[in-house]
Amino acid sequence: QVQLQQSGPGLLKPSQTLSLICAISGDSISSNSAAWNWIRQSPSRGLEWLGRTYYRSRWYNDYAVSVKSRISIDPDTSKNQFSLQLNSVTPEDTAVYYCAREAMATRNWFDPWGQGTLVTVSS
Amino acid sequence: DIQMTQSPSSLSASVGDRVTITCRASQTITTYLHWYQQKPGKPPNLLIYAASSLQSGVPSRFSGSGSGTDFTLTISSLQPEDFATYFCQQSYTIPHTFGQGTKLEIK
Repeated sequence: QVQLQQSGPGLLKPSQTLSLICAISGDSISSNSAAWNWIRQSPSRGLEWLGRTYYRSRWYNDYAVSVKSRISIDPDTSKNQFSLQLNSVTPEDTAVYYCAREAMATRNWFDPWGQGTLVTVSS
Repeated sequence: DIQMTQSPSSLSASVGDRVTITCRASQTITTYLHWYQQKPGKPPNLLIYAASSLQSGVPSRFSGSGSGTDFTLTISSLQPEDFATYFCQQSYTIPHTFGQGTKLEIK
């Protein structure tokens, strides 16, 4: 049974960098049938996919255009986890952030999800 | 980006009712469509994948149908624990996109 455990700070000031970690148990971050995603949710934007990392002989990333200039999603194979970094945050980045496993061998659904981290950006 | 439109945005129903939620994609997504249930303070939970396949452990009163651009989620007989918000999501193309949600409330 795959489980995802998120960690990271929940309060940031504008212009700071958001950094979250998602630790994986029950699967390998290097799995050939999975991708590892970050998704956020806010009342104004709903559920918004941010990006993913996955391994297919080498590491790949895909990012949402809306955050592409500010985002980095990186694997850490030694700890079987992956991270989200979002630079230069503004109050618009206030949201609950989730990590999620994407089943890439079939129809690419998200399951499971991490527990969520509320990130508030405020001066 | 593919736009996902759910209807209705909210719905009041009673225990035992049959409920249908619809999701429409702005272009064809074949069966790359999934449904999630979300309760307050919790992450979304996968109910239906690939338009009509029931996720393990999900009660059989939940069902999904559709292909192309039009999809439905049906709950055959509402139970008290089903009052929640439901989302559809397409994975046909990147970026993956979600519907705005349907909040199911007790009448």
